[in-house]
Amino acid sequence: GESVGLHLPTLSVQEGDNSIINCAYSNSASDYFIWYKQESGKGPQFIIDIRSNMDKRQGQRVTVLLNKTVKHLSLQIAATQPGDSAVYFCLGGKLIFGQGTELSVKP
Amino acid sequence: EPEVTQTPSHQVTQMGQEVILRCVPISNHLYFYWYRQILGQKVEFLVSFYNNEISEKSEIFDDQFSVERPDGSNFTLKIRSTKLEDSAMYFCASSQGGGNIQYFGAGTRLSVL
Repeated sequence: GESVGLHLPTLSVQEGDNSIINCAYSNSASDYFIWYKQESGKGPQFIIDIRSNMDKRQGQRVTVLLNKTVKHLSLQIAATQPGDSAVYFCLGGKLIFGQGTELSVKP
Repeated sequence: EPEVTQTPSHQVTQMGQEVILRCVPISNHLYFYWYRQILGQKVEFLVSFYNNEISEKSEIFDDQFSVERPDGSNFTLKIRSTKLEDSAMYFCASSQGGGNIQYFGAGTRLSVL
């Protein structure tokens, strides 16, 4: 079945730096991938999605890259801010949440 | 910006009591969902609901759970006889279509004593 998972449980970056959160998937059947973030005490919040026929998609300060050859996708956050501190999830079309990557932004 | 709203934000109940968690999905959405998140653990899917019936449910969603859309705006999750292990955050979500992005509410923290 579909399996999508993040590489690192935690990531710490300095405020103002760019963040890259990596994710791998094992089933090519998913036709799109979605990134969510969850801040402490809040519900998951949609960030950006990408269809499998795309390589790149940009949003506000975020870019998602999809490499279908190696079944890898990444979320890049430009100029990371303290408000970006959260747990980030990459998911296939079926929303199965893993443990996520906890991003900590140091001031 | 439209959002999913959940009430109450925190519900405390005694073991064995019935609880009803309430959600108001985004108004033009047709698919509704419940998830739960036990403290420190993953967000787990419970159930999806479309066209006034359950479209999918997980193993967690046993006979103690039920969902209802009692009117045109509310979507509820009922737990008939709460157990200690039902203590968790419960998130409601909605989407326009079944394969579309789901938008989550802020959650209801259920504490079973």
